[in-house]
Amino acid sequence: QKEVEQNSGPLSVPEGAIASLNCTYSDRGSQSFFWYRQYSGKSPELIMSIYSNGDKEDGRFTAQLNKASQYVSLLIRDSQPSDSATYLCAVNPNSGYALNFGKGTSLLVTP
Amino acid sequence: EPEVTQTPSHQVTQMGQEVILRCVPISNHLYFYWYRQILGQKVEFLVSFYNNEISEKSEIFDDQFSVERPDGSNFTLKIRSTKLEDSAMYFCASSEIGNQPQHFGDGTRLSIL
Repeated sequence: QKEVEQNSGPLSVPEGAIASLNCTYSDRGSQSFFWYRQYSGKSPELIMSIYSNGDKEDGRFTAQLNKASQYVSLLIRDSQPSDSATYLCAVNPNSGYALNFGKGTSLLVTP
Repeated sequence: EPEVTQTPSHQVTQMGQEVILRCVPISNHLYFYWYRQILGQKVEFLVSFYNNEISEKSEIFDDQFSVERPDGSNFTLKIRSTKLEDSAMYFCASSEIGNQPQHFGDGTRLSIL
């Protein structure tokens, strides 16, 4: 079974701090990695995609990928209360394009 | 910004009845997907569709499920004889090509009584 693992949280950070969200995956051949944000009762909203090792920055968000360690992370700088949501890690396996989601990490940014 | 649209937003159906969930993917996208999320659980893949045929399906997508692209814009998921355990949020998604980011619709909440 190909797994995507995330700490369920909640992860609580003060406003303005850096939030660090982590994800590990079991399928070593995975090629594409995505972070989605999901507010309660809403649909997943794409934040970042990353395909190669290293860092990728987009505004306050940085995705980091280490394929050797089978690890992908998301950093949120200058966290805002509106960032409070569940963050979903999603991985494309080696074969096919179906996304395999983790259970998500709940983030709470406190004012 | 283009978006995936889903109808209805909420569907209540008696067990054993057929339901059809509808989606309009983003117009220039070629790959279409259905996922579901049971309350409190993770998002699960059901099926992907490309070039007018199923390209992948999960174990969840059994003979009770079918998908169709009846015209140039709509993409539908049919559940032939609903069960209580089919109660979930059903999300449609689309992507330009297979490994590109998938964009999700707002979902249909399916409640089976």
